[in-house]
Amino acid sequence: DQQVKQNSPSLSVQEGRISILNCDYTNSMFDYFLWYKKYPAEGPTFLISISSIKDKNEDGRFTVFLNKSAKHLSLHIVPSQPGDSAVYFCAASGSTGANNLFFGTGTRLTVIP
Amino acid sequence: GAVVSQHPSRVICKSGTSVKIECRSLDFQATTMFWYRQFPKKSLMLMATSNEGSKATYEQGVEKDKFLINHASLTLSTLTVTSAHPEDSSFYICSARSTINREGGRQHFGDGTRLSIL
Repeated sequence: DQQVKQNSPSLSVQEGRISILNCDYTNSMFDYFLWYKKYPAEGPTFLISISSIKDKNEDGRFTVFLNKSAKHLSLHIVPSQPGDSAVYFCAASGSTGANNLFFGTGTRLTVIP
Repeated sequence: GAVVSQHPSRVICKSGTSVKIECRSLDFQATTMFWYRQFPKKSLMLMATSNEGSKATYEQGVEKDKFLINHASLTLSTLTVTSAHPEDSSFYICSARSTINREGGRQHFGDGTRLSIL
């Protein structure tokens, strides 16, 4: 059962525009969320995170928004750059257990120059 | 930043062979390491969690006798796929975390191992 879902497998955006990647989750016990970026033949690299006590976290061009009532989070990249082209994974963890991460299926972002 | 080295990056071998994958944290001590498996067009699925010096905790449905995990030191964990068969072909990724505090110790990933069993 997929507890973290990324319903858009791919997204294409023009350079300079905003990229919005979406993620939904089903487990209300999740309280910490992360975005990872993955290039081909490499492991995921951490991008940005947000705790459930916040609804927004910003780091440079990257902003993550969390809507707990809708169990939805999104990653905004603005302005988008060609080097942002990669697969983006949303991940979530709960406050119990070993803080395992549950990953979405990923969204492939292509930024067109 | 934190670096995790995973080796080998690709393995092609015959059915029945046992394959060992190494995961090393290069510039930090990893109290916890995680092993994931990724099927094509699917998400990363956690297989097991290992803490240094103790037995690994396996996720439901993962055979512990099939996937042997050893976390003998704070910088090295190994995953051995025993008597591998074609259905074990997959992309395996390890990650390491430096502290128990999840926000202070995020998971840092290796580059993965593509395992192909003929």
